[in-house]
Amino acid sequence: DTEVTQTPKHLVMGMTNKKSLKCEQHMGHRAMYWYKQKAKKPPELMFVYSYEKLSINESVPSRFSPECPNSSLLNLHLHALQPEDSALYLCASSQEVLAGVETQYFGPGTRLLVL
Amino acid sequence: QKEVEQDPGPLSVPEGAIVSLNCTYSNSAFQYFMWYRQYSRKGPELLMYTYSSGNKEDGRFTAQVDKSSKYISLFIRDSQPSDSATYLCASQKVTGRRALTFGSGTRLQVQP
Repeated sequence: DTEVTQTPKHLVMGMTNKKSLKCEQHMGHRAMYWYKQKAKKPPELMFVYSYEKLSINESVPSRFSPECPNSSLLNLHLHALQPEDSALYLCASSQEVLAGVETQYFGPGTRLLVL
Repeated sequence: QKEVEQDPGPLSVPEGAIVSLNCTYSNSAFQYFMWYRQYSRKGPELLMYTYSSGNKEDGRFTAQVDKSSKYISLFIRDSQPSDSATYLCASQKVTGRRALTFGSGTRLQVQP
């Protein structure tokens, strides 16, 4: 099973709202990722969690707040977003290895529209 | 210069054609190369990956890496309308920062 699930599939929010995106995997992967993808662009890395600790933050604005409650779950808390934050938000996971390929498996994404 | 360059297309071919999708990369630290397929409004799906140089075949798909020229290719034989999607190449280092570096994606349309 190489499934990564994400909820909700679609989200519309105002600039003053607070919402959360959720991601779950049951592959035993210890690395989890948040990506942002704008139309006709490749995914852009936002955050990486390794063994439930934040290891990479790609200078993402603080209105995006990641959380990794346990090894299977990853959340992205959203607050005071801007219309330009509208995008497809992708979660991915991979098995941490010291060397060798780390294949990342992506979820279907949450399509976010900020009004 | 982007670390991974990919022609965005779109690429339109008739059904049954052989498709060649290509990327170039500039960072010699990249050792693993992946191809993802992404249908419209869906997440990327891993097709296959290769290590260093050489070929890898999986059904109608063949991935090829030429490290001497820093060139990555994906060939699709007997292309089908269901292959119509955006294809993303991605590169990964062996150690250190393991995050993927993506190309911009090539949009492929296979005409029935």
